[in-house]
Amino acid sequence: DVKVTQSSRYLVKRTGEKVFLECVQDMDHENMFWYRQDPGLGLRLIYFSYDVKMKEKGDIPEGYSVSREKKERFSLILESASTNQTSMYLCASSLLGRQGVNGYTFGSGTRLTVV
Amino acid sequence: AQTVTQSQPEMSVQEAETVTLSCTYDTSESDYYLFWYKQPPSRQMILVIRQEAYKQQNATENRFSVNFQKAAKSFSLKISDSQLGDAAMYFCAYRSVYGANSKLTFGKGITLSVRP
Repeated sequence: DVKVTQSSRYLVKRTGEKVFLECVQDMDHENMFWYRQDPGLGLRLIYFSYDVKMKEKGDIPEGYSVSREKKERFSLILESASTNQTSMYLCASSLLGRQGVNGYTFGSGTRLTVV
Repeated sequence: AQTVTQSQPEMSVQEAETVTLSCTYDTSESDYYLFWYKQPPSRQMILVIRQEAYKQQNATENRFSVNFQKAAKSFSLKISDSQLGDAAMYFCAYRSVYGANSKLTFGKGITLSVRP
């Protein structure tokens, strides 16, 4: 069964810590995405990547960075975690262009709490 | 930029009844994809149904069907014979077919509850 795996389901970090959220997919997808999900705001795109070492800012990139050194792995980095980054983080992957007609495959999410 | 609007934050339906979830979108493109995703309490996002804009026929997947009105930019989801397992948050999403990045734009979601 193909899947997108996020390394942690729940995470509690302290303000100012550097936080890494890891995502791995086994479908050989070109595209990978990081979203955050907040009540009443839906899913907002943080960053995405369409190839190894390539990254593009989404709608809310401030306070985040990403790394994609291998095709299957896409990491989200909170350089200095703050309480307003407490949220649910969802990773997803897809094929490029019209091959991505079936949309995304999602991970099961990481609920991050910054205290 | 494309936008997706789900104006109803919550809906409720009686088990075995039919419910329709509304979604509108804004785009200047003529070719695109529309999706409905389901997110149950387990948090795993599941694709419910998709519609390709160039196809006039409304998509259907078992108890789930859409009413796609391209001119009105409306994409509603109808759930027939509602079951307790349909209780979840539902997201409408838009994706352009142009460009390499294929990113989805989501609505804010609607929470559907099913009464036994």
